[in-house]
Amino acid sequence: AQSVSQHNHHVILSEAASLELGCNYSYGGTVNLFWYVQYPGQHLQLLLKYFSGDPLVKGIKGFEAEFIKSKFSFNLRKPSVQWSDTAEYFCAVNARTGGSYIPTFGRGTSLIVHP
Amino acid sequence: KAGVTQTPRYLIKTRGQQVTLSCSPISGHRSVSWYQQTPGQGLQFLFEYFSETQRNKGNFPGRFSGRQFSNSRSEMNVSTLELGDSALYLCASSLRTSGMSDIQYFGAGTRLSVL
Repeated sequence: AQSVSQHNHHVILSEAASLELGCNYSYGGTVNLFWYVQYPGQHLQLLLKYFSGDPLVKGIKGFEAEFIKSKFSFNLRKPSVQWSDTAEYFCAVNARTGGSYIPTFGRGTSLIVHP
Repeated sequence: KAGVTQTPRYLIKTRGQQVTLSCSPISGHRSVSWYQQTPGQGLQFLFEYFSETQRNKGNFPGRFSGRQFSNSRSEMNVSTLELGDSALYLCASSLRTSGMSDIQYFGAGTRLSVL
């Protein structure tokens, strides 16, 4: 069965620090990759996605992620975080299994940014 | 346009009871997926409904069931509740243009506590 691993469960940074959240998945076939974010008191929402093409994708609020197929990774990055980036971040993979697909989420990374 | 609406927001039940949760998708979205979110397991996919048919199913026991109505609204039912069913249940809707590439829009969730 496919799985998604997010290595950092809790990350604490100061404003202006750089961020990288790791995401690895286990599946050898074609995948679509997503990062979702849940700000305090808000719904889960899409941050960015990768389907095909340029492996470096840009999302909202200055976030980007790089798909490295050989490493089965889709790490999220931001050069300079802000206090408003405090949230929980989820990596997700859609992979075809037989005739259907099962979306699989990582357990999430809680990011706290101190002003 | 209105987002995904889940009712009720909170529920308290006792072991052995059953519960029904409701989800109204974004207007025009025909796919509704359900997830269980717990601190230990993260988001786990329960099932997806599209055009009143279950299209995908996660690895949950048969106590968890769902249905979708002709207006795309969906209900999820859990019978014979167990303590371990305490969780946040999230509903997500999508256009389901291609399944794997769908972006999901999440509701606020229903928090179920089983005593």
